[in-house]
Amino acid sequence: RKEVEQDPGPFNVPEGATVAFNCTYSNSASQSFFWYRQDCRKEPKLLMSVYSSGNEDGRFTAQLNRASQYISLLIRDSKLSDSATYLCVVISQGGKLIFGQGTELSVKP
Amino acid sequence: EPEVTQTPSHQVTQMGQEVILRCVPISNHLYFYWYRQILGQKVEFLVSFYNNEISEKSEIFDDQFSVERPDGSNFTLKIRSTKLEDSAMYFCASSDPKKASNEQFFGPGTRLTVL
Repeated sequence: RKEVEQDPGPFNVPEGATVAFNCTYSNSASQSFFWYRQDCRKEPKLLMSVYSSGNEDGRFTAQLNRASQYISLLIRDSKLSDSATYLCVVISQGGKLIFGQGTELSVKP
Repeated sequence: EPEVTQTPSHQVTQMGQEVILRCVPISNHLYFYWYRQILGQKVEFLVSFYNNEISEKSEIFDDQFSVERPDGSNFTLKIRSTKLEDSAMYFCASSDPKKASNEQFFGPGTRLTVL
């Protein structure tokens, strides 16, 4: 089983749509979780941390289910500028980031 | 806003040659990392560095790789004898251990092409 596994994508959605990304992780001892965004050929950038209680930042909502080892990201009212690859990331006990393969999102007018 | 910088942005080299990729982490950060991303694949951890020594390294980080912090600002990754399969984007990252968020800030990357 892969350490971090994501929906394969790509997701092609119209502007204004709501889109949800899912991710599962294999190490039940993992403590910290993130969603990063990566634009084509650029560096990953932190979108948001994911907390057990769930957290929201504007149009973005992240959820964590420790029992199922499942993380989600919901984007509401998607914009053209949301087009990117979304990376599910788990931090190991040693501090290294373990990345999923990413899910590509394309928002069309 | 402080940022991680990397040079060069693109490095082309012949197989078997040595390359040094350079990074300047954010100045008050104490943890440093190298990751790589082969085209079309996921970002992979290579090595972490703290207090002037390697904290952790992956199986990719074999004897051909080394890291160094030669002065108070630079953090380098050296590949001694490059192979075709070393072609990838190499990202440097740094983090502040005092921050609870554990956020790692990434540099813009160096695209390494081995011919």
